[in-house]
Amino acid sequence: NAGVTQTPKFQVLKTGQSMTLQCAQDMNHEYMSWYRQDPGMGLRLIHYSVGAGITDQGEVPNGYNVSRSTTEDFPLRLLSAAPSQTSVYFCASSYATGPSYEQYFGPGTRLTVT
Amino acid sequence: AQSVTQPDIHITVSEGASLELRCNYSYGATPYLFWYVQSPGQGLQLLLKYFSGDTLVQGIKGFEAEFKRSQSSFNLRKPSVHWSDAAEYFCAVGVFTGNQFYFGTGTSLTVIP
Repeated sequence: NAGVTQTPKFQVLKTGQSMTLQCAQDMNHEYMSWYRQDPGMGLRLIHYSVGAGITDQGEVPNGYNVSRSTTEDFPLRLLSAAPSQTSVYFCASSYATGPSYEQYFGPGTRLTVT
Repeated sequence: AQSVTQPDIHITVSEGASLELRCNYSYGATPYLFWYVQSPGQGLQLLLKYFSGDTLVQGIKGFEAEFKRSQSSFNLRKPSVHWSDAAEYFCAVGVFTGNQFYFGTGTSLTVIP
């Protein structure tokens, strides 16, 4: 199993550009999430999904869109990039419940907005 | 509201010394608690987790953590630190509804020879 994969690893955008961060998992996990990591702030939840066709907002959703058309994929879209969105983005997935509740993280995408 | 506090931003220990990283949480019900480690430029790796039962849990790489309900704490410990343990450590609370995780701000560990 590849686990959770993210592309690209690095990206530089200009202010106002749009782009999509890709996330895929091959573990048949129901739940998927997107986090951003900023120095001194830990990881903050952007959006999450409890299954295909169902998404919801997390702590810091503004400026980001998500959709979940399949169990495997959960892309994150930046509509109009801003310097405040410079961050490291992590995708995670997990089973719904029980001892396998832990979240499995992808390797991250480092995004710089100039 | 759920929250996680890691009061130590940065800790320096000598190789071979013992380690304790503090974590306090705020949550209305019995929490799901986790410790993750992040090496520079890498993703997060699960060290250990607590759901119920024995309040002392063992994890990978020789780490353990103890859940203390009365203190709302879940401190991470290791009896003898290795240079390879230098990393960032995150405590997290899992909320079953919506499968949301709340992370602390992390503790950066430096290990000196």
